[in-house]
Amino acid sequence: EDKVVQSPLSLVVHEGDTVTLNCSYEVTNFRSLLWYKQEKKAPTFLFMLTSSGIEKKSGRLSSILDKKELFSILNITATQTGDSAVYLCAVDTGTASKLTFGTGTRLQVTL
Amino acid sequence: DADVTQTPRNRITKTGKRIMLECSQTKGHDRMYWYRQDPGLGLRLIYYSFDVKDINKGEISDGYSVSRQAQAKFSLSLESAIPNQTALYFCATSDRGGTGADTQYFGPGTRLTVL
Repeated sequence: EDKVVQSPLSLVVHEGDTVTLNCSYEVTNFRSLLWYKQEKKAPTFLFMLTSSGIEKKSGRLSSILDKKELFSILNITATQTGDSAVYLCAVDTGTASKLTFGTGTRLQVTL
Repeated sequence: DADVTQTPRNRITKTGKRIMLECSQTKGHDRMYWYRQDPGLGLRLIYYSFDVKDINKGEISDGYSVSRQAQAKFSLSLESAIPNQTALYFCATSDRGGTGADTQYFGPGTRLTVL
């Protein structure tokens, strides 16, 4: 059974801190790994990673994939209160583009 | 205007009632999906469709049915709602990526409560 595990489950940091969110996976077939941010509504797409070792960056957010060790990390530097959300990791196993999601990491950024 | 819309946004119904959740998209994508989200369980796939004539069951299709009325519309039905179908339901769309890797775009969600 395909599995995606995220850690930590929740995290509280102070504004300005740097955080690292983890996603590990065990799947029969890997095509890509995706990160989403979910606030009080629909998930919004952040990154899609298909190749090992290539960092994707968007402002203060960055992500990298290690296909040998089967994990990805999402880094957020200089966190702001607007970064408070649930961050979801999902793996596209190539089976009809179905995504297997982790349960998410809930990040709270306090002043 | 939102690219992926869902109606209704909130619904409260009683056990045994038939419910239809609708999804429309203006992204021109071929592929559409229905997920449900429950606390602690993440998102789980209910049904997906690659085009109007291609409908497939996901992980948790029991108790649900779908209809792909057009490329832009994908409806989810609960023929006889039960309380454990209380959840947040998301529709998503994706295109056939040239690299073979798709990105899914989500609608705003429908919060369904079955009493």
